[in-house]
Amino acid sequence: GAGVSQSPRYKVAKRGQDVALRCDPISGHVSLFWYQQALGQGPEFLTYFQNEAQLDKSGLPSDRFFAERPEGSVSTLKIQRTQQEDSAVYLCASSSFLALNTGELFFGEGSRLTVL
Amino acid sequence: GDSVTQMEGPVTLSEEAFLTINCTYTATGYPSLFWYVQYPGEGLQLLLKATKADDKGSNKGFEATYRKETTSFHLEKGSVQVSDSAVYFCALSDLNNAGNMLTFGGGTRLMVKP
Repeated sequence: GAGVSQSPRYKVAKRGQDVALRCDPISGHVSLFWYQQALGQGPEFLTYFQNEAQLDKSGLPSDRFFAERPEGSVSTLKIQRTQQEDSAVYLCASSSFLALNTGELFFGEGSRLTVL
Repeated sequence: GDSVTQMEGPVTLSEEAFLTINCTYTATGYPSLFWYVQYPGEGLQLLLKATKADDKGSNKGFEATYRKETTSFHLEKGSVQVSDSAVYFCALSDLNNAGNMLTFGGGTRLMVKP
């Protein structure tokens, strides 16, 4: 597609439910990032993939959070046993090989998760 | 660790007013600095960047100069338009680390009134 696509755009979950958020990066983009953006805050880094390899997951807040990118394109962020503090917008961003080390990321519109 | 601090909003201006949004950073290395913008209903997009001290990034009438001595990267525009209404994020990246991983400030909402 023309841009980074995320689904669902909105998700309401009951506390304790598992959720899965999907990211379709720009075709051919090597790098993929997940960020968490709480209301009124800036995005905070969760995890980073280069192709299918998860090179950095230091930002994942707990072992309830898991991300994968098995074929080096689409990525899924899974949150198990959701808690109210998980409510946030989850942003996916991708970057081409040529743009590596330039800081230019292309962001999706995000998936807004509300945990009741 | 690295961090970015930017002025809290919202900033409300009349059309054609001068804009400054302050941004300061803390970093252990020699980061590159960025301004990203988020228009209503859209994803974040890169507005401008500077990769070394004294560089000036510019785009769409916006400018920011990388000031190492004051660890700042303030965003300026001489004459804002209603269409500039958005949330602006200052960010840094240590490009020797984790590809393009960015550290963001908290964002500043700009509202421009006709």
